Amino acid sequence: AQSVSQHNHHVILSEAASLELGCNYSYGGTVNLFWYVQYPGQHLQLLLKYFSGDPLVKGIKGFEAEFIKSKFSFNLRKPSVQWSDTAEYFCAVTTGGGNKLTFGTGTQLKVEL
Amino acid sequence: DGGITQSPKYLFRKEGQNVTLSCEQNLNHDAMYWYRQDPGQGLRLIYYSQIVNDFQKGDIAEGYSVSREKKESFPLTVTSAQKNPTAFYLCASMVRGATGEQYFGPGTRLTVT
Repeated sequence: AQSVSQHNHHVILSEAASLELGCNYSYGGTVNLFWYVQYPGQHLQLLLKYFSGDPLVKGIKGFEAEFIKSKFSFNLRKPSVQWSDTAEYFCAVTTGGGNKLTFGTGTQLKVEL
Repeated sequence: DGGITQSPKYLFRKEGQNVTLSCEQNLNHDAMYWYRQDPGQGLRLIYYSQIVNDFQKGDIAEGYSVSREKKESFPLTVTSAQKNPTAFYLCASMVRGATGEQYFGPGTRLTVT
C-alpha cells in the first residue's frame, strides 16, 4: 500500500519568506499527486495536482510543486508567503484507478507579520 | 450553491451511545467518502462509496458503519465499538473517475465523554 510522509509538522515563517514543504511517497508504480490546503475555518480544498507531463505544476495563489520521480518527492513551494497563507497543508497520492486518496500527516504553516 | 453539507458542526455524546453524522451533497457526484482527522495524523479514510447501494471499507473502518441509499446522502454511524470516537470527521465527494479531486464538507467535530 502507498504511504505519504510530510516531515515538517509545524513551520513558522515571516511574510515574504520563501516556502518549501516536503512530501515523499512510497509506491513503485504510477502515481497522481496532490496538495490540499485547509485555511482556518474553511473547507479542505485542492491547491494543485500532478498527473503527468511537466513535473513542475502551478496551483492557486502562487503555489507550485515539483515532482521528482527519482526521489519519490512532490515538494510544495512559494517564493514569497503572505499572512493569508497561514493554513494546514496536506500532500496526498492516488494510485491505479484513483478512487482513494492517501494523505500525509499535514504541515501546519504559520506566517507572521 | 453547490456543495457538501455536514451537520451538526459540533456533536457531543456519552460513551456507549451510537451517533450518526450527516453528509449531503448536491454536486451530483457518484463517489462519497468519510475521513477522520486527528492532530498530527492527517486524514484517514473510514469508508467510501462509488455508487448508490455500494460501499467499501477504508483504512480504519472498525467501529463505524455507513449506508448509501441515495446518491446525495452518505451518513456515517459511529458505534459504541469505536474505541476513540472523539475526532473531526470530514465528508467528501468526487466525480466518478475524476482521480483524486475531491470536494470536502465543513466537517463535524464529535466529542464523546
